[in-house]
Amino acid sequence: NAGVTQTPKFQVLKTGQSMTLQCAQDMNHEYMSWYRQDPGMGLRLIHYSVGAGITDQGEVPNGYNVSRSTTEDFPLRLLSAAPSQTSVYFCASSGGGSYYEQYFGPGTRLTVT
Amino acid sequence: SQQGEEDPQALSIQEGENATMNCSYKTSINNLQWYRQNSGRGLVHLILIRSNEREKHSGRLRVTLDTSKKSSSLLITASRAADTASYFCATAPRGSARQLTFGSGTQLTVLP
Repeated sequence: NAGVTQTPKFQVLKTGQSMTLQCAQDMNHEYMSWYRQDPGMGLRLIHYSVGAGITDQGEVPNGYNVSRSTTEDFPLRLLSAAPSQTSVYFCASSGGGSYYEQYFGPGTRLTVT
Repeated sequence: SQQGEEDPQALSIQEGENATMNCSYKTSINNLQWYRQNSGRGLVHLILIRSNEREKHSGRLRVTLDTSKKSSSLLITASRAADTASYFCATAPRGSARQLTFGSGTQLTVLP
């Protein structure tokens, strides 16, 4: 199993540009989520999904969109990038039932100039 | 807002010593989890403790949970240089067992 994969690993955007961060998992997990991590801080939840076709907002959703058309994929879209969105973005997935631990991808380091 | 707050922010010890990190949180939880993050990498799940549990062990890790004080501690025994990493506690609220809120982490350095 590849686990949780994220692409790209690094990205530089100009203010106002849009892009999509890709996330995929091959563990058949229902729950997927996106976090951002700023320097010296813990992770903050952006959006999450409890299954295909179902998404909801986390703590810091503004400026980001998500969709979940398949169990495997959970892309994160930046609509109009701003310097405040410079961060490291992590995708995670979690299985069903009482298995609450989350599996994280390697992260995407995004810089907005 | 950060639900969990770790203490200390940074900890430096010698190889073979024990390392203790503490986490405090504010609201009722379903479970509390600890994660490790090596520099420049993703987070790795270490251990989960449910709100009705008081202590759990996994290898060299021991986690305690005191729901009356809204606090948890992570003990790493006989530390190794490879344990050098940032450690985060994460809490899941009642009714949303997977919606994690992370603390700001403890940076552990184990000196050989």
